[in-house]
This record gives sequence, C-alpha cells and structure tokens, in this order.
Amino acid sequence: EVQLVESGGGLVQTGGSLRLSCAASGFTFSNYPMIWVRQTPGKGLECISYISSTTIVYADSVRGRFTSSRDNGKNSLFLQMNGLRDEDTAVYYCARVVPGVVGGDHWGQGTLVTVSS
Amino acid sequence: DIVMTQTPLSSPVTLGQPASISCKSSQSLVHSNGDTYLSWLQQRPGQPPRLLIYKISNRFSGVPDRFSGSGAGTDFTLKISRVEAEDVGVYYCTQASQLPYTFGQGTKLEIK
Repeated sequence: EVQLVESGGGLVQTGGSLRLSCAASGFTFSNYPMIWVRQTPGKGLECISYISSTTIVYADSVRGRFTSSRDNGKNSLFLQMNGLRDEDTAVYYCARVVPGVVGGDHWGQGTLVTVSS
Repeated sequence: DIVMTQTPLSSPVTLGQPASISCKSSQSLVHSNGDTYLSWLQQRPGQPPRLLIYKISNRFSGVPDRFSGSGAGTDFTLKISRVEAEDVGVYYCTQASQLPYTFGQGTKLEIK
C-alpha cells in the first residue's frame, strides 16, 4: 500500500525557517517524481515544487526561498522553507507523480504551517 | 502558467440526482506525446485530496462507476450519475500536461 506521511509543520515567525519531510512507503520511491502542493483558504491548491531524479521546478511564489530535495536511500522527500511570509501559511501536502499517467495519484495527510509575526 | 476555471463553484444536489462540473483550461492540455493529463480530485471535509479520474476519463482504483469524466483540448466535465451522501466535498480539476501543475478553484458539492 502506497503511503505518504508529512511532518515538520508548526508555528513559525515571519522570516523564519522550517523543514518539512515526507516519508514514503509501499513503492519504489526512486522511480517516481514527487510534488509539494499547498492549500490555503484564499488561494486553493498550489503546486509549489516538482522534483524528479533530474529536474526540480518551483512556483514563482516560492522560488529562491524554498528548496526541495530527496533522499532515495531513505525514501524521503524534503522541503526547506526559508524567509517565510504570512502568505505561506497553508497545509502542505506531498504527492506522487506517475510519469505518463497522472500528476498526483497518492497524497499524504498534510502538515500545517502557520507563519505569524 | 495554465489557468484552470471551474463552474459552478457551488452545486446543491438532491440525493440520487446527477451532478456535473465543468473545467476549462486557458490553453490546450494535449501534451506533445498526444496524451491529455487532466485529472479530477475529490476532497472530503477534513481529508486530503483523493484522485478520482486521470487522463480525462480513466477512473482511479476503487472509484465508483457513478463518476465519469469526458472532454478534450480545453473543455472537460466530471459527471456523477447519482449523487450519494458520501460524495459531499470539494472537487478540483488539475492539469499535469505542463509544469507547474495547476488546479481549478474547486466546486463545492452539497446536498439540498
């Protein structure tokens, strides 16, 4: 069974940093690109990063502040978030991409990040 | 970025009746390989999104056959043949034909 479990969310001050993790199980993690998607009441769902074995792409809203990485040996995905702003407050999900099929067939439960001054 | 626009944003439906949601993209979702990566997600209250339909019309594993998808190019539709109580939630269309992946605003399905 495919499982994705996010962790690392919490309350952080404006300008601060946070590192999110996504632990994957039930599939060969290294074979699949992954995405980070965040959800806010105001902006809905936003794909902020795509990471495969060769490519990393960021949304304009986070480029230069957020860094995606993965450790295939530990079946884990990471999102380093620096320079956090109030508008980064959201639930952050990781999801699996199946190339040639779909951009998000399994999703984690999400982790809440709250940025406040 | 490709903009995804859904209508309606809210859909009150009577149990047992059909429901339909439209999704339009700002440009064609036909990929250079000929496939169209348009999917539909369901998000029940308090839950993460769940994949229902991929590549326009393919039901994901475990999805009831009352859900169906159709369309081509820039115009797509999700239909529920007979709405059940468990279908309450928000439905999103999403495209993976071009990075960054983008989502519609969501359509809230509620029971009358």
